[in-house]
Amino acid sequence: DTAVSQTPKYLVTQMGNDKSIKCEQNLGHDTMYWYKQDSKKFLKIMFSYNNKELIINETVPNRFSPKSPDKAHLNLHINSLELGDSAVYFCASSKRENRNFQETQYFGPGTRLLVL
Amino acid sequence: AQSVTQLGSHVSVSEGALVLLRCNYSSSVPPYLFWYVQYPNQGLQLLLKYTTGATLVKGINGFEAEFKKSETSFHLTKPSAHMSDAAEYFCAVSFNNNDMRFGAGTRLTVKP
Repeated sequence: DTAVSQTPKYLVTQMGNDKSIKCEQNLGHDTMYWYKQDSKKFLKIMFSYNNKELIINETVPNRFSPKSPDKAHLNLHINSLELGDSAVYFCASSKRENRNFQETQYFGPGTRLLVL
Repeated sequence: AQSVTQLGSHVSVSEGALVLLRCNYSSSVPPYLFWYVQYPNQGLQLLLKYTTGATLVKGINGFEAEFKKSETSFHLTKPSAHMSDAAEYFCAVSFNNNDMRFGAGTRLTVKP
């Protein structure tokens, strides 16, 4: 019944490692997103993606890359993890997006990443 | 520069009292405005949003917000707080350029 799910829920890893976070939505949405929420609760959009277009927030390091095997999945790959990558990462999805974020976004429960 | 500001990182009210969470934005273009709620260890859930039309927007759980262009504000209110309203609340603004900005959040505490 879960609309947007993420795995793993918690991820603890060493600096320099490469890791992936998976996201799946069963809402039939066309657009998916990744957000980063830091320790001060600031929430920033990292990517938005539909089957035609990937839009990247220019402040996101290229160590981060989203990969979508199909419309229902948008995984987040992170290479060479750094201490500053520690945060909670949220996946979200919405219906067709027209760049205005008018469509309601449905969020996953988050993945808590800790880099040691 | 386009930005969103939430006044007060922490608001505490008594059960049954009025809830007022403040949000102001700065933008040179008409924004779309949102309020999200985040319960502990959960993702964000949309409370309400303003895109066009009526400036007073009603959302879930008895919350409402009014878009005031002259004040560049979108404050969230609820007439009577419940214990279950205790959570983190985020104001967010979309500036019609594929960028969505969230405020820093306001933690609402409800005292019995």
